[in-house]
Amino acid sequence: TQLLEQSPQFLSIQEGENLTVYCNSSSVFSSLQWYRQEPGEGPVLLVTVVTGGEVKKLKRLTFQFGDARKDSSLHITAAQPGDTGLYLCAGGGAGNNRKLIWGLGTSLAVNP
Amino acid sequence: GAGVSQSPSNKVTEKGKDVELRCDPISGHTALYWYRQSLGQGLEFLIYFQGNSAPDKSGLPSDRFSAERTGGSVSTLTIQRTQQEDSAVYLCASSPRHQTLTPGELFFGEGSRLTVL
Repeated sequence: TQLLEQSPQFLSIQEGENLTVYCNSSSVFSSLQWYRQEPGEGPVLLVTVVTGGEVKKLKRLTFQFGDARKDSSLHITAAQPGDTGLYLCAGGGAGNNRKLIWGLGTSLAVNP
Repeated sequence: GAGVSQSPSNKVTEKGKDVELRCDPISGHTALYWYRQSLGQGLEFLIYFQGNSAPDKSGLPSDRFSAERTGGSVSTLTIQRTQQEDSAVYLCASSPRHQTLTPGELFFGEGSRLTVL
């Protein structure tokens, strides 16, 4: 059974701090997606990475896909209260969303 | 609206009653998914519809759960004889038909929070 483990499970930091959250598996995925979910809302896609070693940047967020395509990280620079939310990673096969494997998420709170 | 719409947003029911949850996907999206999200659990896949193809029901946890999609648009998830363990947020997502080698973006609704007393 494919599993995605996310760490840490909970993270509470002050505005302006940097942080990294991780998404790890013993399985290889063809792609990996990161979503952010705010309370009372559905997840919203942040990025999709598909190539081992790939790095993508989205403003203050940097996403990396591991060389072996088994793990990924999300680094946030100078966190802001608006970054607060549940960060979910989802690993999948090619073109097949229904086979997405979801991690349990990292709940991030950024305090002003 | 332009997004995925789900109703009701909150539903409280008594054990043993039936409930229906509705999802109105983004216009033109032929793929529709139902997920369940419980506290401390990840997103649990329930069912997938793609166009006129037979739905993938492999994630439905029991025969009390069923879903249909009429006219390739609106979908209804029905839970019969609800149990307390059915309490969760039920999320609907849609996605455009065209999928290449890369899984496409899922567009989620805000979810329906079900509480079974």
